[in-house]
Amino acid sequence: ETGVTQTPRHLVMGMTNKKSLKCEQHLGHNAMYWYKQSAKKPLELMFVYSLEERVENNSVPSRFSPECPNSSHLFLHLHTLQPEDSALYLCASSQDYSGPTDTQYFGPGTRLTVL
Amino acid sequence: GESVGLHLPTLSVQEGDNSIINCAYSNSASDYFIWYKQESGKGPQFIIDIRSNMDKRQGQRVTVLLNKTVKHLSLQIAATQPGDSAVYFCACSGTYKYIFGTGTRLKVLA
Repeated sequence: ETGVTQTPRHLVMGMTNKKSLKCEQHLGHNAMYWYKQSAKKPLELMFVYSLEERVENNSVPSRFSPECPNSSHLFLHLHTLQPEDSALYLCASSQDYSGPTDTQYFGPGTRLTVL
Repeated sequence: GESVGLHLPTLSVQEGDNSIINCAYSNSASDYFIWYKQESGKGPQFIIDIRSNMDKRQGQRVTVLLNKTVKHLSLQIAATQPGDSAVYFCACSGTYKYIFGTGTRLKVLA
């Protein structure tokens, strides 16, 4: 176990549903990340939070809305998704976001299927 | 733009043999490199890292080699075991973020 947990592990939703993905880290880290992993593609960085403030938003559609209420929890709110949004959504955390040398530790992911 | 590529999408290795997985990167300013292992149904798991001031680093049964001249990174796994079956991908530090490769699937043959 990496100390990063994600729920749910699997989610099936229709295009008009609203759902949320949850991530929790037990490592005392200050930075948290959302990634999208699609088949045969590199990991795509979506959002970065450092000390509960969003520091990066990689041109992600507004139907994905992140929330970081504290340094241990990160949410990804989903609304009006498209079938092409089906993917594995990974959460990660690192000690700090002082630079790219902070090793990121990943959760197990949420497998999302949009019908 | 910045990119990371792995040389083979799939690598099959006999159990007990050594495995070598390769990765090429484009950003000559990258100064930190990580190898991750991702088993089916799980998230990526940190294996080993290396900084640009080194050209070799060893862990338990794994060795990472860095050749900055040709911008090439490799992961060597000694005495490959069935439990090593997974997708392996490298990540390189880019401009304020990591750049990930697409991964090589390692299949261990009995």
